[in-house]
This record gives sequence, C-alpha cells and structure tokens, in this order.
Amino acid sequence: GAGVSQSPRYKVAKRGQDVALRCDPISGHVSLFWYQQALGQGPEFLTYFQNEAQLDKSGLPSDRFFAERPEGSVSTLKIQRTQQEDSAVYLCASGGTSGGVSSYNEQFFGPGTRLTVL
Amino acid sequence: GQQVMQIPQYQHVQEGEDFTTYCNSSTTLSNIQWYKQRPGGHPVFLIQLVKSGEVKKQKRLTFQFGEAKKNSSLHITATQTTDVGTYFCAGTNSYYNQGGKLIFGQGTELSVKP
Repeated sequence: GAGVSQSPRYKVAKRGQDVALRCDPISGHVSLFWYQQALGQGPEFLTYFQNEAQLDKSGLPSDRFFAERPEGSVSTLKIQRTQQEDSAVYLCASGGTSGGVSSYNEQFFGPGTRLTVL
Repeated sequence: GQQVMQIPQYQHVQEGEDFTTYCNSSTTLSNIQWYKQRPGGHPVFLIQLVKSGEVKKQKRLTFQFGEAKKNSSLHITATQTTDVGTYFCAGTNSYYNQGGKLIFGQGTELSVKP
C-alpha cells in the first residue's frame, strides 16, 4: 500500500515568505507527527495530532509555525515569515490505527520536504 | 526537558567488523525505538523495546534495553555495505498506540569500507 507522502519535496523560499508543507499520512492512521531535521542531526519533534485534534504542539519553535489537520487525514505545516534558521528537512510521520490501545508505537515517515530559506 | 544522547557520532568500520551504538536518556523511558536512515532517505523503523533488560535480535542486529530503562544499545555483527546509514534511537514516554512524541538521539553514522 501507499506510504506517507509529502509535498513539495523541495522548497526554496526567500526570507520573509510564507510556506505551506503538506503531508498525506497512511490511510487509517490516527496519529500524525511533524518533525524538523537539521543537517547531521536527529529529527526534532514539532507537533502531534490524534485525528483532527492537535494534542501536543510543544515543539513548535515560534508562533510563526502553525499546523492543522482539519479532517483528521491530510495535514499542513505552515511557516510564516520564514527565516534562514528555518532551513531544514521537515518530516511527517503517521502511526496507530483506530480501535483500541496498543503499546506499539511504530511511526512511518514520509520522504520529507527540504526547505531552504535564502 | 528530556534528552536522549547517542554515541559515537560517527563510526567507520571495515566490512566484516562489528559495530555498536549507545543511547542514554536523561529520564526513564516507557519504551525505546530504533530507526535507520539511509543517506538521502527518511527514518525507517527497525524495532521497539519495552521491557526492562529486554534483548531482541534481528539477524545480525542485537538490541538491548537497560535494566533502568534509561539506556539502550544496537550491535551489528559482521557489518556489510548494506548496513551503511545513520542509526537513531528514539525514546517515548507514552504507552499508547496513538500517542507519544519521539525524542531522537543525534544518531550514529555508520560507514563500511568494503
């Protein structure tokens, strides 16, 4: 079946420009996560959705970052007034199916969007 | 806040040599996961460890979770060129399938010389 897809794969923005990054999770997955990965570093948590509810946004670095998942499937990460320090790969991951609690927390990652802010 | 430290940052081995990466958390974890990221790729799930002292094996890979659930290791026996990539540990404090952000270590980049 199809995995997690993200678009665009690459985005170049001028400083101050707004960008929107899209994530299509695996169908039926309840959980959706956004991570930011700088070059040579591990992914850093940004925010988490369970269905359409944003349960944790503690990792968003500033109020310029906003994420939504209005219908509990596709999610968009928006960055306003981009800065050079926003340059990174933005990874989306999904996991968890409906129907009960499990200790299995595997996350399936998409290919990421590489954002370069000039 | 919670931190996960991973060492070494880089490891260069000759094909056939063994490789180990170590992961330490500043807090007790409910479980720990390991991911592999190939150059230019995205993290791919390898395994999850839940129980204190747990040891799991996948062919040449051996994963351990410490007794205190604060550290973990990944050992690869007789490395092959296909093992090249960056290995990340990632801890979580959630017991639930639908929850729990992952706190990733910095990763260990493995290169294998044929």
